[in-house]
Amino acid sequence: EVQLVESGGGLVQPGGSLRLSCAAFGFTFSSYGVNWVRQAPGKGLEWVSYISSSGITIYYADSVKGRFTISRDNAKNSLYLQMNSLRAEDTAVYYCARNRCSDSSCYSDSWGQGTLVTVSS
Amino acid sequence: DIVMTQSPDSLAVSLGERATINCKSSQSILYSSNNKNYLAWYQQRPGQPPKLLIYWASTRESGVPDRFSGSGSGTDFTLTISSLRAEDVAVYYCQQYYGTPTFGGGTKVEIK
Repeated sequence: EVQLVESGGGLVQPGGSLRLSCAAFGFTFSSYGVNWVRQAPGKGLEWVSYISSSGITIYYADSVKGRFTISRDNAKNSLYLQMNSLRAEDTAVYYCARNRCSDSSCYSDSWGQGTLVTVSS
Repeated sequence: DIVMTQSPDSLAVSLGERATINCKSSQSILYSSNNKNYLAWYQQRPGQPPKLLIYWASTRESGVPDRFSGSGSGTDFTLTISSLRAEDVAVYYCQQYYGTPTFGGGTKVEIK
């Protein structure tokens, strides 16, 4: 069974940093591109970042570019999101989501349960 | 970025009746080289992550009941629930993946 498990969320002050992790189970992680998608409380879905299966191709939403860094360790079946210079508007549940296709232009067929990041003083 | 606009924001439908959700993209998401529309639909039940229902605008994901169907091409798309069941209460999102992924604002489906 495909499973994605996020961790690392919590309460952080504005300007602070946090590192999220997503552990993958039940499939060959190194064969899939993966995304971070977030959802502010009571709001809709917002794509944050994508990394290809090899880690070579990376994209960011304009709202996080220069502040967030996506990475992966295929040997550990894990995806990461380093978040720096956090703002109140970054408060959200962060989901990792697997793409089914081999390229970035794809839908996400499996999602984790999410981890909540709260940016507040 | 491609803007996705869903309508209505919410709708209340009686059990067993049809629910129709619309999604419009700010530019065509039909890729001419493969004749595919780069559009997906997701269902998000309260307190749950999104679940993939439909991809390539009209292909139902494995295990999704056949009362869910997707249609449309170019810039205008529709998700139809042919006969609403209680477990279909959720927020539904369209997403384009032609360019940098963007989602519609969501449509909340409730029981009348």
